[in-house]
Amino acid sequence: DVKVTQSSRYLVKRTGEKVFLECVQDMDHENMFWYRQDPGLGLRLIYFSYDVKMKEKGDIPEGYSVSREKKERFSLILESASTNQTSMYLCASSFLQGRYQPQHFGDGTRLSIL
Amino acid sequence: RKEVEQDPGPFNVPEGATVAFNCTYSNSASQSFFWYRQDCRKEPKLLMSVYSSGNEDGRFTAQLNRVSQYISLLIRDSKLSDSATYLCVVNHSNTGKLIFGQGTTLQVKP
Repeated sequence: DVKVTQSSRYLVKRTGEKVFLECVQDMDHENMFWYRQDPGLGLRLIYFSYDVKMKEKGDIPEGYSVSREKKERFSLILESASTNQTSMYLCASSFLQGRYQPQHFGDGTRLSIL
Repeated sequence: RKEVEQDPGPFNVPEGATVAFNCTYSNSASQSFFWYRQDCRKEPKLLMSVYSSGNEDGRFTAQLNRVSQYISLLIRDSKLSDSATYLCVVNHSNTGKLIFGQGTTLQVKP
């Protein structure tokens, strides 16, 4: 089974802090993704990466950055956390090529910014 | 217009009922289609891929209509444990990027 592991299930941080969310997958997937999910807004893509050191902006990249130094690890960084970044953050991974490549999700991190 | 549209529901059905969800997508170049299930406060999990010829997995049947650009999910003999939000998902690029619908909520009542 695919295993996508996010570093924290629950996290509480303060406004202005730099926040790191870590994600590790064990299936040698090329693609990795960060989403946030908010009530009534569904899943929104923040950033994704299809290779080491490569990154692409998703639909809502403002206020976030990412790092992919190793294939299995994809980090999401909130440079200066704000209250409107309180959300559920979901990491996912998938193979790059071929049809019918679903994404597999981690358990999610519920982040609260006070 | 959203790229993937679903009726948010909720669909309230009794145990044993048959229920169907539809989803429409706007990009005619879309290549891969999925249904995910998401329980409250949990991550989305792949329920099934949707193939052009239609496919079945136990009580679940998925259909794809490329001409009308819609995908359907049929659940037969509903169980209480089927209560969840069902996300329609479409892939339309080779990057592996997926577009998620906002989900349809199903509540199965005893």
